[in-house]
Amino acid sequence: ELMLTQSPATLSLSPGEGATLSCRASQFISKYFAWYQQKPGRAPRLLIYDISRRATGVPARFRGSGGGTDFTLTIYTLEPEDFAVYYCQQRGNGLTFGGGTKVEVK
Amino acid sequence: EEQLVDSGGGLVQPGGSLRLSCVTSGFTFNIYAISWVRQAPGKGLEWVSTISGDGRAKFYGGSVSGRFTTSSDESKNTVYLHMNSLRSDDTAIYYCARGNGDYMGDFHLWGRGTPVTVSS
Repeated sequence: ELMLTQSPATLSLSPGEGATLSCRASQFISKYFAWYQQKPGRAPRLLIYDISRRATGVPARFRGSGGGTDFTLTIYTLEPEDFAVYYCQQRGNGLTFGGGTKVEVK
Repeated sequence: EEQLVDSGGGLVQPGGSLRLSCVTSGFTFNIYAISWVRQAPGKGLEWVSTISGDGRAKFYGGSVSGRFTTSSDESKNTVYLHMNSLRSDDTAIYYCARGNGDYMGDFHLWGRGTPVTVSS
């Protein structure tokens, strides 16, 4: 089974700072790679799909990049509403999610 | 407005069964795959199952294969998750979710989730 490993587990930052979240795959992945945001008590929200395409309504400060086995979600200038848990997901070989990165207020 | 409404969760004893429903609205039912994704308390997301838009193709995650089945009823715009031989580690919030095509993943649309607790 293709596994996704996210790092770091927790990121402590202040509003206005930038965030870099990583996801590493155990095998090569095609373009079918996505990122989600989840807030407590809520369903996940799709942010990025096909590595770098923003979903409808997602602000431009969210940027997805990468390829092969290494992928990155960059959040430029954290807003108060961006503090949440972020998950990566691949659908090129079955469907798997990473374990999540919590972005918390420092 | 496109919408998914998941329901049917509850408390069930180990070894028991439960059926979840996902009622869809606002889009053409048979051109989108519908999946179930679960989240155990305090844990991450786990893909459970996917059924194709025409109901013919079904896929399952390793931890539920052989115990859970998914089905659909186009006349009711509804997808079901039939859960058998339930175990304590099946305790989770179960979400139905839809992508932008007849494939699993890249879930643009989610239900609110229905909680399932497996306990004696």
